[in-house]
Amino acid sequence: KAGVTQTPRYLIKTRGQQVTLSCSPISGHRSVSWYQQTPGQGLQFLFEYFSETQRNKGNFPGRFSGRQFSNSRSEMNVSTLELGDSALYLCASSLKGNEVGSPLHFGNGTRLTVT
Amino acid sequence: QKEVEQNSGPLSVPEGAIASLNCTYSDRVSQSFFWYRQYSGKSPELIMSIYSNGDKEDGRFTAQLNKASQYVSLLIRDSQPSDSATYLCAVNWDSGGYQKVTFGIGTKLQVIP
Repeated sequence: KAGVTQTPRYLIKTRGQQVTLSCSPISGHRSVSWYQQTPGQGLQFLFEYFSETQRNKGNFPGRFSGRQFSNSRSEMNVSTLELGDSALYLCASSLKGNEVGSPLHFGNGTRLTVT
Repeated sequence: QKEVEQNSGPLSVPEGAIASLNCTYSDRVSQSFFWYRQYSGKSPELIMSIYSNGDKEDGRFTAQLNKASQYVSLLIRDSQPSDSATYLCAVNWDSGGYQKVTFGIGTKLQVIP
């Protein structure tokens, strides 16, 4: 079974631009979560989608948004990029997401560099 | 705000020794606990899950949970240089029928040959 697939792997953007990241979960997984990882802050939760609905959102500004499609694939968008947005963005899927105890399966991440 | 605390390390242990990684959490209703391993430049991968008080063993890994003390640990026996990585503690709890998860900052483990 294929794992979680994130594209692209690397991105270099300039301040003020916008970016869209893509995530394909493991087949059959309906919950997709997004995380930002930086050396000083660790893994910070962005949002979680389940059946095309955002169920949970972290403490990030409105420049960060996402969506999920009917096939469970998800996209994350960051508008008006800032230097501080440089990070590794990780997508994780889980089987149902509505059962406590469902482990997360992470993709390889997208490394975003904002210059 | 539910918190998960880990010492960021680095924790250095000699090859063959036992590495002990610790994690404390703030919320008493937390229900499931996971340890993820993250190699440098890679994404986290699940290595252990534990749901009830006590010990759970899987090969060289043992997870220990004490809900009364709000404490979860990971022991790695016979540590190998290939165990050198950052270990993330994750705590899940039920929020309105679905889970929320908080990660600790991770402990960097260095196994010295």
